[in-house]
Amino acid sequence: NAGVTQTPKFQVLKTGQSMTLQCAQDMNHNSMYWYRQDPGMGLRLIYYSASEGTTDKGEVPNGYNVSRLNKREFSLRLESAAPSQTSVYFCASTKTSGGLKTGELFFGEGSRLTVL
Amino acid sequence: LAKTTQPISMDSYEGQEVNITCSHNNIATNDYITWYQQFPSQGPRFIIQGYKTKVTNEVASLFIPADRKSSTLSLPRVSLSDTAVYYCLVGGYPGYSSASKIIFGSGTRLSIRP
Repeated sequence: NAGVTQTPKFQVLKTGQSMTLQCAQDMNHNSMYWYRQDPGMGLRLIYYSASEGTTDKGEVPNGYNVSRLNKREFSLRLESAAPSQTSVYFCASTKTSGGLKTGELFFGEGSRLTVL
Repeated sequence: LAKTTQPISMDSYEGQEVNITCSHNNIATNDYITWYQQFPSQGPRFIIQGYKTKVTNEVASLFIPADRKSSTLSLPRVSLSDTAVYYCLVGGYPGYSSASKIIFGSGTRLSIRP
């Protein structure tokens, strides 16, 4: 099993350019998440998707859009990249259970984005 | 969502037991407490989860007092490879009423020395 796969792993953009980060999981998980992590900082939630067809804003959604294409795939789009969006982006997924206990989050390897 | 407070950093030596305490005064009745570990240039990895009292697995122990307003992650006999950032998470759990926000704080940067 590949787990959570993110592409691309590295990207350099110029201010104003657009791009889409792709995320796919092969664990049949219901819920998927996008986080960003700035150097020396913790993770901040951008958007999440509880299930196919639904998406919700996280802590820092401005400047981003997401699409839950199907159960496996959750993409993050930067419509007009800004230097402040230079960061490492992590996609994660978890299986939604019927009880109160959280599912374990599985993370991808990250996508390093630099906006010049 | 319950806010968590952890020390920004901690230092220890190989072979020592390390305890990292997390405060979560506003924890809700249905909230679980989960800890993640993150190495440089990697995504976080699940370590342990608990609701009350004590939970132990092959990696760590989690101690939760009766009032559940804090929790302590205990790493027995640490090695250099335990140098990482450790995150304490509370609340926002999928499954109860559909997936909710899973928020990471700033974490505790643990440095282990020879």
